[in-house]
Amino acid sequence: QVQLVQSGAEVKKPGASVKVSCKASGYTFTTYGISWVRQAPGQGLEWMGWINIHNGNTKYAQKVQGRVTMTRDTSTSTAYMDLRSLTSDDTAVYFCARDVGSTYHFDYWGQGTLVTVPS
Amino acid sequence: QTVVTQEPSFSVSPGGTVTLTCGLSSGSVSTSNYPSWYQQTPGQPPRTLIYSTNTRSSGVPDRFSGSILGNKAALTITGAQADDESDYYCVLYMGSAISVFGTGTQVTV
Repeated sequence: QVQLVQSGAEVKKPGASVKVSCKASGYTFTTYGISWVRQAPGQGLEWMGWINIHNGNTKYAQKVQGRVTMTRDTSTSTAYMDLRSLTSDDTAVYFCARDVGSTYHFDYWGQGTLVTVPS
Repeated sequence: QTVVTQEPSFSVSPGGTVTLTCGLSSGSVSTSNYPSWYQQTPGQPPRTLIYSTNTRSSGVPDRFSGSILGNKAALTITGAQADDESDYYCVLYMGSAISVFGTGTQVTV
C-alpha cells in the first residue's frame, strides 16, 4: 500500500533552517510528483510547491519562493523540503502529498510534521 | 495573487443536502482548473474526496459529488451524516505547475 512517512517534529530558532523528509513506499517513486502543503495553527491549507521526482524540476509558491528548496533522493525514495530564514509565521504542520500530475490532484498524504519557530 | 474563495461555514441537518462552492477572485472556474476537494478533521492529514471536477477518489461514498455550478466548482453532500462534520478544502490548478487551495469551509452536521 502507498505510504508517505515524514520526519519528526522540529523546534527551530528564528533565522534558522529546517529540512523535512518524506519517505515513500508502495509505488514507483519516480512516476509521481510530490507537493508540499502547510497549515498554520487554526488556519487553512497552503500549497508551497511541487517537485517532479523523475527529473527534479520544481515549482514554488510565490510566498515562499527564494526561501524554499525541494529535492529528492531516488535511491531512498525520499523527498525533502528545506525552508530557510524561519520566522514565527512559519510555525505550521507541513505535509507532503503524492501529486498525480495528469489530473493535478493529491491522492496520498504524509502524516504531517510540526515545525515550531518560537517568536 | 490568485485567491480561491469558499464559504467560511455551513450547517446541515443529518440527512440533509449541502453544496459548497469554490470560486476565483477574478474569472471563472472551469474543468481546466481540475478542481479537487479534500476533507480534513482536526489533527489529521487531508483526505482526498473528488478530483478532476467530479471523479470520486477510491473508497469515497457516493453521497459526495462534484460539479461546476455557474462559474464555480461545487461539492455536494447528499444525505449528510454526523461523521461528515469536517473542514473541506478545494484546490484549483492554475497552470504552470501551480496549485492553489481554497480558504476552506467548516461544515457542521
